[in-house]
Amino acid sequence: AQSVAQPEDQVNVAEGNPLTVKCTYSVSGNPYLFWYVQYPNRGLQFLLKYITGDNLVKGSYGFEAEFNKSQTSFHLKKPSALVSDSALYFCAVRVLGRGRRALTFGSGTRLQVQP
Amino acid sequence: DVKVTQSSRYLVKRTGEKVFLECVQDMDHENMFWYRQDPGLGLRLIYFSYDVKMKEKGDIPEGYSVSREKKERFSLILESASTNQTSMYLCASSFQDQETQYFGPGTRLLVL
Repeated sequence: AQSVAQPEDQVNVAEGNPLTVKCTYSVSGNPYLFWYVQYPNRGLQFLLKYITGDNLVKGSYGFEAEFNKSQTSFHLKKPSALVSDSALYFCAVRVLGRGRRALTFGSGTRLQVQP
Repeated sequence: DVKVTQSSRYLVKRTGEKVFLECVQDMDHENMFWYRQDPGLGLRLIYFSYDVKMKEKGDIPEGYSVSREKKERFSLILESASTNQTSMYLCASSFQDQETQYFGPGTRLLVL
């Protein structure tokens, strides 16, 4: 079975400061990892993904994430937060090459950026 | 750009009613998915389909059924709506061999 944990329900950060949203995963095999963002009353928007290759993945809106196999983590980061980054963030995983094509999502982390 | 549309943004139904939620994608994607989103639980997979007339149960299929008669359209059916099916329903699609899923705007369903 595969699972994703987002240990923080909410992250608060001041505008201009760096932000980190944490994600850890558990799979049997090599993972595909994703971050999605959801703005109020909207569907999910794709931010970035890790499949293979460079452990540091760059995505939309200045976000990046680092795949750490030994710690089974895929934390989302941004060097300088904007108020407009305030939203709900979801980490997701599936196992590479087998199993169903659907993703397993974490419970979500609400990011609040204060002006 | 990929576009996934859902037939309604908001729905209010009565307990026992049959409810149809429709999803349409315009990118010729093979895979389509229905999730429900509840606070603190993230997204949970109800059903998915990898081809026309093909479907597989997800994690929480009870009380739901699906239909995929055409490649671009994937319908979620609540046979007899219950109050515990009040939720946000999200549809998604993806290419067969690619992993990125594209989501619709969601349907917020209230069952009274």
